[in-house]
Amino acid sequence: AQKVTQAQTEISVVEKEDVTLDCVYETRDTTYYLFWYKQPPSGELVFLIRRNSFDEQNEISGRYSWNFQKSTSSFNFTITASQVVDSAVYFCALSEESQGAQKLVFGQGTRLTINP
Amino acid sequence: GAVVSQHPSRVICKSGTSVKIECRSLDFQATTMFWYRQFPKQSLMLMATSNEGSKATYEQGVEKDKFLINHASLTLSTLTVTSAHPEDSSFYICSARGPGYSNQPQHFGDGTRLSIL
Repeated sequence: AQKVTQAQTEISVVEKEDVTLDCVYETRDTTYYLFWYKQPPSGELVFLIRRNSFDEQNEISGRYSWNFQKSTSSFNFTITASQVVDSAVYFCALSEESQGAQKLVFGQGTRLTINP
Repeated sequence: GAVVSQHPSRVICKSGTSVKIECRSLDFQATTMFWYRQFPKQSLMLMATSNEGSKATYEQGVEKDKFLINHASLTLSTLTVTSAHPEDSSFYICSARGPGYSNQPQHFGDGTRLSIL
């Protein structure tokens, strides 16, 4: 069965530090999608990125970057020059195309605290 | 674009009450919506997949008669927690897959915090 592991339960850094959130996944499918979502204290889930299994190019969006490596089944997320507003719980998720409903399986989440 | 609205944002009610939560896609049609449940400091667990015009598909362990799902239109799905008890207290959040291909990302509502006294 598919599985997403975020080994880091909590991370706390000082503002302006770089921080990497790890995500490791398990799937038997060759076609799948990986996602990162941000959940601030208010509770809503904010979509950050989607990456399909055939695209291993790393992506950068402002201070955010993602490193997808199929060889290690990892999809890590790095925040550069972190800011207090980045404080939130971050979820990595996996969606398999083989499942008719495109269901998402979430990791346990990493609670990131950026201290001023 | 791809905004999902969820209402109410917070409910506090007595044990035995039935509570209805609405999930609306505001600027797109969503043939498929999802309902998740999140306990404090835990991950999101999929409860059911809601398909417009047909019966919802429930995940293993989720009581169909307890959590009634209706998806009567392409922009609205409702979750009714029937005869709610304190153990049903949780954060419920819905999502809708964006328009276009089936691999579009899910966009989430703001969630409903349900507290049963």
